[in-house]
Amino acid sequence: AQTVTQSQPEMSVQEAETVTLSCTYDTSESDYYLFWYKQPPSRQMILVIRQEAYKQQNATENRFSVNFQKAAKSFSLKISDSQLGDAAMYFCAYRASFQGAQKLVFGQGTRLTINP
Amino acid sequence: DSGVTQTPKHLITATGQRVTLRCSPRSGDLSVYWYQQSLDQGLQFLIQYYNGEERAKGNILERFSAQQFPDLHSELNLSSLELGDSALYFCASSVATGIEQFFGPGTRLTVL
Repeated sequence: AQTVTQSQPEMSVQEAETVTLSCTYDTSESDYYLFWYKQPPSRQMILVIRQEAYKQQNATENRFSVNFQKAAKSFSLKISDSQLGDAAMYFCAYRASFQGAQKLVFGQGTRLTINP
Repeated sequence: DSGVTQTPKHLITATGQRVTLRCSPRSGDLSVYWYQQSLDQGLQFLIQYYNGEERAKGNILERFSAQQFPDLHSELNLSSLELGDSALYFCASSVATGIEQFFGPGTRLTVL
C-alpha cells in the first residue's frame, strides 16, 4: 500500500522569507501524481500544486514550487516570499494513475506559521 | 469556491444515532469521493462512487454506507454513532478521468 510521510509536524518562517516543507512517499508504481493541499483555519482543502511522476520538470505555481526527486521518492514544497495568508496546514498527497485507484493518500500534515 | 457543496455544515448528535451527510458535486463531475479527517487518523479515504456505481472502498466502517443518486449527488450514512466518529467529513468530486479532486467545505460531525 502507498504511504505518505510528512516528518515536520510544525514549521515557522518569517514573513517574506522562504520555507520548504518535506514529504516522502512509498509506492511500487512508476506512474502517479503528487499534490500539495493547503488547509487554512476555514478547513477548506485547497489544491496548491500538482506534479505528474512522468514529468522531470518540477512544477511551479507563482510563489510555490516543488522539488520532485523520483528515485528518492521525495516531494518537497518551497514557498517563496512567505505571506501571512500562507499560514495553514499543508498536506502532501499521492494518487495512483490507473483508473481503479483514484483515491488520495495523505500525509499527516505540516502546520505552517508565518511570523510578521 | 470549489463548486462542491455539502450539507449540513455542522451536525451535533448523540451516541447510537444515525445521520446522513449530503454532497453535490461540481457540474459535470461523475466521480464523488468521501474522506474523513480526525485528530487520530488524519485524512482518510472512505469510498468513491462513479456515475452511480461504487468504484473503490477505503477504511470505511461497516456502520457507514454511501450511495450516489441519478442526479449524481451523494449521501454518506453513518449509523450507531460512537464518540470516535466525531470528525470532519469531506466530499470531493472530479471529472471521469480527472486528475484533480475538488473538495467541498466539509461537514463537522460531533458525537456527544
